[in-house]
Amino acid sequence: NAGVTQTPKFQVLKTGQSMTLQCAQDMNHEYMSWYRQDPGMGLRLIHYSVGAGITDQGEVPNGYNVSRSTTEDFPLRLLSAAPSQTSVYFCASKRGSTDTQYFGPGTRLTVL
Amino acid sequence: EDKVVQSPLSLVVHEGDTVTLNCSYEVTNFRSLLWYKQEKKAPTFLFMLTSSGIEKKSGRLSSILDKKELSSILNITATQTGDSAIYLCAVSKGAGGTSYGKLTFGQGTILTVHP
Repeated sequence: NAGVTQTPKFQVLKTGQSMTLQCAQDMNHEYMSWYRQDPGMGLRLIHYSVGAGITDQGEVPNGYNVSRSTTEDFPLRLLSAAPSQTSVYFCASKRGSTDTQYFGPGTRLTVL
Repeated sequence: EDKVVQSPLSLVVHEGDTVTLNCSYEVTNFRSLLWYKQEKKAPTFLFMLTSSGIEKKSGRLSSILDKKELSSILNITATQTGDSAIYLCAVSKGAGGTSYGKLTFGQGTILTVHP
C-alpha cells in the first residue's frame, strides 16, 4: 500500500491564483481530513469528510473548498490564494472505527 | 472552545537524558488522546490513550493519561539524537462510541537532543 499520497510536494503561487492540492489514499479509509501547519501553532483542521459525498468544515475553512466524489480522493481547492495561506498542508485518513489518523507527506505552499 | 496545550514549547537536552513532555486539554466529549512524532515530514503515530488504556509503553517511550487532571505526559528515557523532533499531542472527540473524525492538536514541543 502507498498509504496517503499528496501532490505536489512544493508549490509557489501568486496572490489571486487558484490551485488544487491532491490527496489520495489506498487503505479504503472512510475519514479524510486536511490540516495546515504553521510555526508554533501545531496542526489546524481545515475540512474533513466522513465518507464519499459528505464533507464538513473544520477550524479554519475560509478560503478553501473540498469535495469527496470517491472514497480514495479528497482534493483541497484554493480559489484565490492569499499570502496568509502560505503554510504546510497535510492530508490524513483513518478508518471509521479508530481514532488514529495517518498523514501524507505534506505540500509546502508559498503565496507571494 | 476546545483547547490542547503542550509544554514546554521547546527543550534542549544531551544524549542519555530523560525528558518529560506535557499535554493538557479542555474538550467536550473526550474520546482519546494521541501522541505523534514529526521529523522533517509527516507526523507519525506513537500512542493512543483512552479511558480503557491509560498507559502505553514502547521501548524507551512511555505515556500516561490522567483523566482526572485532563492531561498526559510523554516520557523518553536515555534520549538519542534520533529522538530530535516535534512531538505533537492531539485529542479526538466522539459520542456514543462513534468518533467525530477530527483531531485538535496542541502547538507541539520541539525536542533537540545533542550528542
